[in-house]
Amino acid sequence: NAGVMQNPRHLVRRRGQEARLRCSPMKGHSHVYWYRQLPEEGLKFMVYLQKENIIDESGMPKERFSAEFPKEGPSILRIQQVVRGDSAAYFCASSPLISAEAFFGQGTRLTVV
Amino acid sequence: AQTVTQSQPEMSVQEAETVTLSCTYDTSESDYYLFWYKQPPSRQMILVIRQEAYKQQNATENRFSVNFQKAAKSFSLKISDSQLGDAAMYFCAYRSAAQGGSEKLVFGKGTKLTVNP
Repeated sequence: NAGVMQNPRHLVRRRGQEARLRCSPMKGHSHVYWYRQLPEEGLKFMVYLQKENIIDESGMPKERFSAEFPKEGPSILRIQQVVRGDSAAYFCASSPLISAEAFFGQGTRLTVV
Repeated sequence: AQTVTQSQPEMSVQEAETVTLSCTYDTSESDYYLFWYKQPPSRQMILVIRQEAYKQQNATENRFSVNFQKAAKSFSLKISDSQLGDAAMYFCAYRSAAQGGSEKLVFGKGTKLTVNP
């Protein structure tokens, strides 16, 4: 059973471009969480999704950021018109059901130049 | 809102010795989980140990054990017989277990552990 897969591992974007980060949860997991880690900081919650539903997006910036978890395919975190402050590591975690342990992917490091 | 505080930005330990990493948290809930995660340079977040708040017994996983003081809202991690592979960032995290509560993890800022040979 493969772990949580995130791609790409590294992503470089110029200011104003769009960034798309992908997360394939572990097999059988229907809950996905996205976290952001700024340099020298802990992880900060962004959004919690189940298949085709956003359950909690209280950590998502109000503009430019969106997330989806379609019925088929990976979860996508999309950042439009990236700025330098978006440079960070973005982690995805998945779990099979509510209140179970969450398993993390290796993260995507986004660098905005 | 819940908060997690790790007051030690950096710690160091000699190989084979014991080290304790501190964590305090603030919550008004009575039912929750606490976790310690390890993040080596590879960036992978690895679960080290987990504690349910309703359990009085401290969790133990091989060389890793916790001292959970619910009244004091303290959750320290003890690493015994430290190994070079233990060198990493360690994050303390909180998660509500209340029905209908938030499923998100709240992390501290981390403690960087160095193991000296």
